[in-house]
Amino acid sequence: SQTIHQWPATLVQPVGSPLSLECTVEGTSNPNLYWYRQAAGRGLQLLFYSVGIGQISSEVPQNLSASRPQDRQFILSSKKLLLSDSGFYLCAWSKGGHTYNEQFFGPGTRLTVL
Amino acid sequence: DQQVKQNSPSLSVQEGRISILNCDYTNSMFDYFLWYKKYPAEGPTFLISISSIKDKNEDGRFTVFLNKSAKHLSLHIVPSQPGDSAVYFCAASAGYGGSQGNLIFGKGTKLSVKP
Repeated sequence: SQTIHQWPATLVQPVGSPLSLECTVEGTSNPNLYWYRQAAGRGLQLLFYSVGIGQISSEVPQNLSASRPQDRQFILSSKKLLLSDSGFYLCAWSKGGHTYNEQFFGPGTRLTVL
Repeated sequence: DQQVKQNSPSLSVQEGRISILNCDYTNSMFDYFLWYKKYPAEGPTFLISISSIKDKNEDGRFTVFLNKSAKHLSLHIVPSQPGDSAVYFCAASAGYGGSQGNLIFGKGTKLSVKP
């Protein structure tokens, strides 16, 4: 069976500090990978998606970036955090190459920027 | 511009009764719809889906109805249980891989099922 891991579970960072959130998937190959953010009182906003190693598409311009150094690893980064980056960050995967994309989510990371 | 709308931020239902969660969409290219359930501080869990070639899909206590002409779908939970209390997200996809296949989520409806 497939599992998806995210860490850390919670993070408190000062404004201007860097960020690195990691996501890994087990039990599947060549998945599509996604980063979402859920801000307080809002829905799920797609930030980045990747259909393969080194292939990153950005949905929303911002000071965040994503990388996919390995097939089942997806990293969300920032060089300098803003207060508005606070939120609940979710990684998700779906079967690569499939038309209908049921996405399966990780447990999430709660980021608080002070 | 919100392509997927869940106009009710919250819903309260008595245990054993029916819960009806609604979702509207604006993009006529959407052809696959999903419902997710989310508990606080956890990732969303896939619940049920429906493709545009159907108007109903049932899985146990959960049934999703799709009205393409009205661009409306609903999730029915019968009977409702206290453990169903969570935020429910509606999502839609244009189907194919890449950007068109990405899910667009509504803002969610918080369901509270009272014993």
